[in-house]
Amino acid sequence: GNSVTQMEGPVTLSEEAFLTINCTYTATGYPSLFWYVQYPGEGLQLLLKATKADDKGSNKGFEATYRKETTSFHLEKGSVQVSDSAVYFCALRGTSGNTPLVFGKGTRLSVIA
Amino acid sequence: GAVVSQHPSRVICKSGTSVKIECRSLDFQATTMFWYRQFPKQSLMLMATSNEGSKATYEQGVEKDKFLINHASLTLSTLTVTSAHPEDSSFYICSAREGGAAREQYFGPGTRLTVT
Repeated sequence: GNSVTQMEGPVTLSEEAFLTINCTYTATGYPSLFWYVQYPGEGLQLLLKATKADDKGSNKGFEATYRKETTSFHLEKGSVQVSDSAVYFCALRGTSGNTPLVFGKGTRLSVIA
Repeated sequence: GAVVSQHPSRVICKSGTSVKIECRSLDFQATTMFWYRQFPKQSLMLMATSNEGSKATYEQGVEKDKFLINHASLTLSTLTVTSAHPEDSSFYICSAREGGAAREQYFGPGTRLTVT
């Protein structure tokens, strides 16, 4: 079945550091890929998405590129801020029928000033 | 963006009792709703999918008689945990979508259930 594997956290960075959170997936066909963010005390919010190979999703300075050849969708940001501290979830949605989202385990990011 | 609310945000109940969690879509019609369970330091585990007016489809390993899901209207779904036990303590999250699989899923803030 479909699955998502993302790097274990927690990740602690200083402000303005470069961020990479790795995500790889297993799926048949061409799934859509997503990054969600969960700020403390809030629900999950869609951060960015990509629906086909080589697409790049971007939002709020975050980017991720859909790499079919490596089945990856790594999240990157060039300069993190304290306000980026949250839990980040990589997810995919398969191509058949009424398929729901499948999530990775989440990576907690803490950015310190 | 669209808003999904959950009530209550936190609930404590005694072992053996039942507790109901509500999920509402505030500004769109949720033709499909999903219920997830999130364990500490774990991912969201899908429990069931429900389409308005139909019976919920439960994931493998989820007891349908224990976790009763009702999706009677396009803006409301409820999850009732029956005869709760301490191992049911968890964070329950609902998600709602208007339209087909290509549409975005919106998430509620979650409900923390503690069974004593």
